[in-house]
Amino acid sequence: SQTIHQWPATLVQPVGSPLSLECTVEGTSNPNLYWYRQAAGRGLQLLFYSVGIGQISSEVPQNLSASRPQDRQFILSSKKLLLSDSGFYLCAWTRTGQYNEKLFFGSGTQLSVL
Amino acid sequence: AQKVTQAQTEISVVEKEDVTLDCVYETRDTTYYLFWYKQPPSGELVFLIRRNSFDEQNEISGRYSWNFQKSTSSFNFTITASQVVDSAVYFCALIEHGSGNTGKLIFGQGTTLQVKP
Repeated sequence: SQTIHQWPATLVQPVGSPLSLECTVEGTSNPNLYWYRQAAGRGLQLLFYSVGIGQISSEVPQNLSASRPQDRQFILSSKKLLLSDSGFYLCAWTRTGQYNEKLFFGSGTQLSVL
Repeated sequence: AQKVTQAQTEISVVEKEDVTLDCVYETRDTTYYLFWYKQPPSGELVFLIRRNSFDEQNEISGRYSWNFQKSTSSFNFTITASQVVDSAVYFCALIEHGSGNTGKLIFGQGTTLQVKP
């Protein structure tokens, strides 16, 4: 069976510090991978998606970036965090070529930038 | 452009009451898929249902039921005899066939349901 792992679960970082959130998927190959952000009291906003290694599409201009160094690994990064980067970050995957199937979500990372 | 609207920000009911969560969507695509997800306090989104645009049959799963009406572009979710464990944020979402292989799901803002004992 497939599983998705996301870490850390919580993170408190000062403004201007770097960020690295990691997500890995097991039990499948060449998944579509996604990073969503959920600001407090708001819906989910798609940040990045990837349909293959090294292929990253950005949905929202910001100081965040994403990378996919391996087939089942998706990393969200920032060189310098802003206060506005606080939120709940969710990684998700779906089977390649299956655009209409449900997304499988990780357990999320609560990021607080102080 | 595609859009999903969940006008109810918060709903509070007493246990055993029925509750309906509204979802209205906008899309220009004739082929699309609608979803409902549940986000309990733990944070992880849990898939509840997927419905394609060619299937307007209502669906029932235990205490959950969904009413899909293309004429009003709505995909409403009803919980019958609500329980405290139903307390969560519920998201309606849409994906268009025109999104290709990207799998870009567009979410509504979510409805927070509180079920009081």
